[in-house]
Amino acid sequence: DIVMTQTPLSSPVTLGQPASISCRSSQTLVDSDGNTYLSWLQQRPGQPPRLLIYKISNRFSGVPDRFSGSGAGTDFTLEISRVEAEDVGIYYCMQATHFPPSFGQGTTLDIK
Amino acid sequence: EVQLVESGGDLVRPGGSLRLSCAASGFTFKDAWMSWVRLVPGKGLEWIGRIKREVDGATVDYAVPVKGRFTISRDDSKNTLYLQINSLRTEDTGVYYCTTDIGVHWGRGTLVTVSS
Repeated sequence: DIVMTQTPLSSPVTLGQPASISCRSSQTLVDSDGNTYLSWLQQRPGQPPRLLIYKISNRFSGVPDRFSGSGAGTDFTLEISRVEAEDVGIYYCMQATHFPPSFGQGTTLDIK
Repeated sequence: EVQLVESGGDLVRPGGSLRLSCAASGFTFKDAWMSWVRLVPGKGLEWIGRIKREVDGATVDYAVPVKGRFTISRDDSKNTLYLQINSLRTEDTGVYYCTTDIGVHWGRGTLVTVSS
């Protein structure tokens, strides 16, 4: 199975400042169809997970443009340009290129 | 608007069984591949399995840890997804979510607690 490793596991940030979360996969996530099925999810306190980014860098419907994704192969990054209070929560990377789909262990984003 | 509403979670003893349901609306359910994912305390998110649409044979794939104990099914006439869980173990405790495809839209989840 593909192991997804996120760093850091905890990220205290200042409101208005940028934040960055890294995700590394144990194998390349490039599919035979040429796509890379790497997504980012956000889980706010008391809420279900929500899709933010799919296929590395595509923002899902309704996601603010302060969220961006980048990377290739085995190394990926989620960036928040200016953190807002509503961004507090746990962020997960997820791969769906290889069976079974797998998730990172989660990164907790909170406000300093 | 896509809505997924899970139900059926409960407190059960080890060895017991549960059937979870997920009522879907706001999209063409019969055309969707659907998954179950759980959030396990201290372990994070775990993909349980996926069922394809009827035209793709309604094939079901499971994660290895749950194969043989969990059964995913669907009733397209009722726009409902199901998860039958047998021989429950304490490590099955968690919040169970249904999702469209693999993690696109999520329900609010239903809590399963396995304890004696």
